[in-house]
Amino acid sequence: QKEVEQNSGPLSVPEGAIASLNCTYSDRGSQSFFWYRQYSGKSPELIMSIYSNGDKEDGRFTAQLNKASQYVSLLIRDSQPSDSATYLCAVIGAGGTSYGKLTFGQGTILTVHP
Amino acid sequence: DADVTQTPRNRITKTGKRIMLECSQTKGHDRMYWYRQDPGLGLRLIYYSFDVKDINKGEISDGYSVSRQAQAKFSLSLESAIPNQTALYFCATISGRGDNEQFFGPGTRLTVL
Repeated sequence: QKEVEQNSGPLSVPEGAIASLNCTYSDRGSQSFFWYRQYSGKSPELIMSIYSNGDKEDGRFTAQLNKASQYVSLLIRDSQPSDSATYLCAVIGAGGTSYGKLTFGQGTILTVHP
Repeated sequence: DADVTQTPRNRITKTGKRIMLECSQTKGHDRMYWYRQDPGLGLRLIYYSFDVKDINKGEISDGYSVSRQAQAKFSLSLESAIPNQTALYFCATISGRGDNEQFFGPGTRLTVL
């Protein structure tokens, strides 16, 4: 089982729609969760971090965390063509051999079409 | 100055050559990480370090070595480069203070012929 898995893409949504990106993780003790946006050939850009169960909203982005289900998601409301990118989920391990290790999922390519 | 710099930004080398990729940061972060990225595979962790005496292997450390020369510098070496090490390499830093402030370098595109 991969440590961090994202839903397979690519994902295509029309402009103005809600894009939903999902991620599961295997280390039950993990406490820190992140979503990044990455444009082709560029470095990842942190867009959301979440540490507690529930929802966290920042502008058009909402991150959702469910530690019991080991699941974290990102919703992008009113999607714009400029949101077209690869979205990466990452988790910092909390203990043992995973302590402090920042592990990424494989990424989901999002395309927002006009 | 950029928060995290990587040198070189692009490099073409031949099979069997030794190559070093360097990463420097100005944020005073304790934690530094090296990743490689291949199409469709996200970022895979090569090595990470919590301080100059604390180096840890990631999921794909074979064929790579690292050196943490100072808190601000973390170098990645390929002792004998092979073509399947052709990839985009990123360095990252994370604060160990609990706020997880983090920065990524601009990346090094490495091609091994």
